[in-house]
Amino acid sequence: EIVMTQSPVTLSVSPGEGATLSCRASQSVSSNLAWYQQKPGQAPRLLMYGASTRASGIPSRFSGSGSGAEFSLSISSLQSEDFAVYHCQQYNHWPPTFGQGTKVDIK
Amino acid sequence: QVQLQESGPGLVKPSETLSLTCTVSGGSISSYYWNWVRQPPGKELEWIGYIYYSGGSGGTDYNPSLKSRVSISIDTSNNQISLKLSSVTAADGAVYYCARNLGVLPFLFDSWGQGALVTVSS
Repeated sequence: EIVMTQSPVTLSVSPGEGATLSCRASQSVSSNLAWYQQKPGQAPRLLMYGASTRASGIPSRFSGSGSGAEFSLSISSLQSEDFAVYHCQQYNHWPPTFGQGTKVDIK
Repeated sequence: QVQLQESGPGLVKPSETLSLTCTVSGGSISSYYWNWVRQPPGKELEWIGYIYYSGGSGGTDYNPSLKSRVSISIDTSNNQISLKLSSVTAADGAVYYCARNLGVLPFLFDSWGQGALVTVSS
């Protein structure tokens, strides 16, 4: 199965600053890569799919890029509600697999 | 707006069968892939499997790592999806989520339940 590796494990950012999260696949997943946001005690929320398409209702400060095996999620100006754990997931190969998550916390 | 709600015992004994139900409201249960995903404490999300139902027929698919122990079924009259995982061990302790797919892609999850915490202990 495809192994998804996210970096860094934790990212400390001040509100208003930007942040970039990385996700690497053990082999190419084309553009079939999604990002989810998860807050404590809540279910994951779909942010991005197709590597760069924002899901319904997701603000434009979130952007995704990449293809093949290297992907990134950028948040242009962190708001208080953006501090959370972010998971990447590939859905190109069966079975679908997730990364271990990157926690974005307040610096 | 579809809503998903997981329910079931929060404590299961080792070697027994874990049973959870996902109740769907506010939307059709037909023509979607209904997935189960779990998250052990401090670990990554793991896809368990799905059931697909449309027009009286459907199918299932399971993660090969769990395939010998897992079963997913659907009750269309009550808009419920059930998960059974047999011969559980402590490693099966996790938050279990049901999730609906987006569009035609079975493994892209855009609606999630709030999750059910299951602990495996005697």
